[in-house]
Amino acid sequence: AQSVTQLDSQVPVFEEAPVELRCNYSSSVSVYLFWYVQYPNQGLQLLLKYLSGSTLVKGINGFEAEFNKSQTSFHLRKPSVHISDTAEYFCAVSEAGFQKLVFGTGTRLLVSP
Amino acid sequence: GAVVSQHPSRVICKSGTSVKIECRSLDFQATTMFWYRQFPKKSLMLMATSNEGSKATYEQGVEKDKFLINHASLTLSTLTVTSAHPEDSSFYICSATSGETFSYNEQFFGPGTRLTVL
Repeated sequence: AQSVTQLDSQVPVFEEAPVELRCNYSSSVSVYLFWYVQYPNQGLQLLLKYLSGSTLVKGINGFEAEFNKSQTSFHLRKPSVHISDTAEYFCAVSEAGFQKLVFGTGTRLLVSP
Repeated sequence: GAVVSQHPSRVICKSGTSVKIECRSLDFQATTMFWYRQFPKKSLMLMATSNEGSKATYEQGVEKDKFLINHASLTLSTLTVTSAHPEDSSFYICSATSGETFSYNEQFFGPGTRLTVL
């Protein structure tokens, strides 16, 4: 079975500063990895995904993540955040080839002026 | 991207009553739909997977007689919380995908339904 750990429940950052949201996973089999964003009163939106190939994955809104198999991590980064990036961010994992997702507990990104 | 809607967005009911939540794919045919439950400050927990025209597959620990799922068409799945109690209060989210179950196809999420049982 897979599991996901997001150690930071909340990350405060100033506008235009860089940010990294951490995600570690546990699995005995090959995995797919995902980052989703949830804005208030909205559903989850896919930011980016890693299925195979290049370990550096670029997503929407200027976000990127790097798959590190040896450290079982998939940290999300953005070089310069905007106020509009304030939201809840979820890391998720699935067994490669399957659709069932296991989510982390989420990290709230708070961007202030 | 594809759009998934949920109705109602918010519902308050008395203990012992049943509540039905609808999940619709608005611009694509959803062969598979997923139902999740989200507790405050907790991750989304998968409750069940439903494929159009067949019985839902429930996750371990989820009472299938308590949470009835029907996926009667390629655009609609319903979750009925039967004889609801305060401990059933939660945020329920559905997602839908148009692909095969055993491959990667993006899940599109609905906005969620906040259920409060008094």
